[in-house]
Amino acid sequence: DAGVTQSPTHLIKTRGQHVTLRCSPISGHKSVSWYQQVLGQGPQFIFQYYEKEERGRGNFPDRFSARQFPNYSSELNVNALLLGDSALYLCASSLVPARNTEAFFGQGTRLTVV
Amino acid sequence: AQSVSQHNHHVILSEAASLELGCNYSYGGTVNLFWYVQYPGQHLQLLLKYFSGDPLVKGIKGFEAEFIKSKFSFNLRKPSVQWSDTAEYFCASPMNRDDKIIFGKGTRLHILP
Repeated sequence: DAGVTQSPTHLIKTRGQHVTLRCSPISGHKSVSWYQQVLGQGPQFIFQYYEKEERGRGNFPDRFSARQFPNYSSELNVNALLLGDSALYLCASSLVPARNTEAFFGQGTRLTVV
Repeated sequence: AQSVSQHNHHVILSEAASLELGCNYSYGGTVNLFWYVQYPGQHLQLLLKYFSGDPLVKGIKGFEAEFIKSKFSFNLRKPSVQWSDTAEYFCASPMNRDDKIIFGKGTRLHILP
C-alpha cells in the first residue's frame, strides 16, 4: 500500500508569490493534518481536516489556507510568501481524528522562498 | 499551555553505547506520549507510543521508553546503539481534545561507526 504522498518534493518561490502543496492520504484515511517544520525545530501544527471540514487551525496567519477534497486528498495554500515561510511542510493522515489513532506522515515538501 | 520539551538538541555517541534521550511534558489530565524518528531523507516514523497501562513501552528497532508520572518524563532508551540509529528524534503528544500533535524541538543523534 502506498503511504502518504506529497507533491512537489521541492519548490523554490519568490517573496510575494503564492504556492499550493498537495497531499494524498493513505487509502481509507479520512483525516489529514498539515505541519510546518522549520530547520532546527519540531513540526508545528497548521491545519486539520476531516470529512472535508476544517477541525482545527494552529497559530498561523490568514495567508495560510487549506481544503480537503471528496477523495480526502488535501491542498495547503500559502499567499504572499515571506522568507520565513521557508520550511519543510508535512502532511499526516489518520483513519479518524482521535487521540489514540496513529498519524502517518509523508516525506514532506521542502519550500524555499527567495 | 500544553507543551513537550526535549533536553538534548545534539547527541553524539559511539556504536554500542547506551542511549537515553530526555523528554518532559507539562500538562495534566490524560497523558498520551509518542516518540517519532526521522532518518535522513525519510518521513517521520512512529517509534513507540504510550496511552495507558504499563509505563514501560517497547517500540520498534529495540527502543523503549518509560513514562514516569511523578517526574513528568518519557525518556527514550536503547541499550546499544548502531550507526543506523543516526537520525532526529522527536518527543510528541496529542493535544487534549483530539489528535493534533505537539512536538518537541527534536534531538539530532549522530552515531560514530
